[in-house]
Amino acid sequence: DAGVIQSPRHEVTEMGQEVTLRCKPISGHDYLFWYRQTMMRGLELLIYFNNNVPIDDSGMPEDRFSAKMPNASFSTLKIQPSEPRDSAVYFCASRSMGGAPLHFGNGTRLTVT
Amino acid sequence: EDKVVQSPLSLVVHEGDTVTLNCSYEVTNFRSLLWYKQEKKAPTFLFMLTSSGIEKKSGRLSSILDKKELFSILNITATQTGDSAVYLCAVESAGGTSYGKLTFGQGTILTVHP
Repeated sequence: DAGVIQSPRHEVTEMGQEVTLRCKPISGHDYLFWYRQTMMRGLELLIYFNNNVPIDDSGMPEDRFSAKMPNASFSTLKIQPSEPRDSAVYFCASRSMGGAPLHFGNGTRLTVT
Repeated sequence: EDKVVQSPLSLVVHEGDTVTLNCSYEVTNFRSLLWYKQEKKAPTFLFMLTSSGIEKKSGRLSSILDKKELFSILNITATQTGDSAVYLCAVESAGGTSYGKLTFGQGTILTVHP
C-alpha cells in the first residue's frame, strides 16, 4: 500500500491567495483526519470524516477554512484567503474502523508570506 | 473538551540512560490511548493501549496505561541517538458525536546525546 498521500509537499503563497491541500487516504480506511502542526500549538485536529461525512469540524479555525471529501479516496482542505498565521505543517491521516491506529501522510508545509 | 497533557515538554539525556515520558488525559468517553514517534516527517505509530495495567513492549520501548488515574507512561531503556524525536500521546474518544476522534498532546522532545 502506498500509504496516505498528500500534495503538494511544500506550498509558498502570498497573503490573500487561495490554498488547496489534497489528500488520498489508504484504500479501505473509513476515517480521514486533517491536523495542523506548529511549534506553539502542537498537533491540532481541524476536522475529521467518517465514510466521507464530516463528523467534527470544531477545530476549523474560522470561515476561511473549509474541507471536503467528495469520495472515499480524496479530500481537500482549502484556505481562502490565506494569512501568515496559517503557516504550519498540515497533516492528513486515515484509519479503518475498530480502533485501529492512525496512519499519517508526510504533510504539506505551508508558508504564507 | 478532550485534553491531553504530556510531560516533560523536553528532555536531554545521554546514550544508555533510561527515560520515562508521561501522558495524562481527560476524555468524555475513553476508547484508547496511542503513542507515536515523530522524527523529521510524519508521526509513526508505536503503541495502542486500551486496558489498564497491561504493558505493551517493543524492544527497548514499553508503555502502560492507568485508566483509574487517567495517565500513561512510555519508557525507553538503554537510549540511543536514534531515539531522538518528538513523542506524541493521543487519546481516542468512543462517545456520541465524537466517536473515533483522536486528540494529541503537545509532545515531548527527546534528545539523546552520544
